[in-house]
Amino acid sequence: KNQVEQSPQSLIILEGKNCTLQCNYTVSPFSNLRWYKQDTGRGPVSLTIMTFSENTKSNGRYTATLDADTKQSSLHITASQLSDSASYICVVSAGFSGGYNKLIFGAGTRLAVHP
Amino acid sequence: KAGVTQTPRYLIKTRGQQVTLSCSPISGHRSVSWYQQTPGQGLQFLFEYFSETQRNKGNFPGRFSGRQFSNSRSEMNVSTLELGDSALYLCASTLKPGQGNTEAFFGQGTRLTVV
Repeated sequence: KNQVEQSPQSLIILEGKNCTLQCNYTVSPFSNLRWYKQDTGRGPVSLTIMTFSENTKSNGRYTATLDADTKQSSLHITASQLSDSASYICVVSAGFSGGYNKLIFGAGTRLAVHP
Repeated sequence: KAGVTQTPRYLIKTRGQQVTLSCSPISGHRSVSWYQQTPGQGLQFLFEYFSETQRNKGNFPGRFSGRQFSNSRSEMNVSTLELGDSALYLCASTLKPGQGNTEAFFGQGTRLTVV
């Protein structure tokens, strides 16, 4: 069964600190992995998209890593800011016949950055 | 260019009523996917439309339906509303069909409350 599991479920850190969010997946066949940031009551916004051959990808203070062998990904946030408070959703794209890919969503990690 | 536009942003309906939500994709995007997001459940895929045709459907009852117009705008309809239908409904637009083939851009969502 295609699944995406994220940990921790929630996290509280102090402003300026770093943190790492985890994503484990059992999705086959794998097409790509995405991290989204979702502010409360808003739509998700894409942070990174990584294909099978990419190990790391950065977007400002956000750095995502992908280990396709162990089927794990992480999102590292450096020097956190209050505006980083949001839910972070790991999404894996599964490729199916005919070139039609489906998105498998994790439940998200809710991050709270405190001053 | 303008992003994905969803209307209305907020909606309160009574049990048994029906509701129609609208989504205008990014200009040039012809594929629209709909998702339901509830606390603790994450995003659940409802259906995807491309070129006015439903391309894929999630595991939701027949009370949930949708359509797409020739200008790629899409509507989803929920009939005989139940309390459990209270959720944030998100639509995502992509350039090509298949949710995971290209980058998906989400709208801000419609917050539906059923009382």
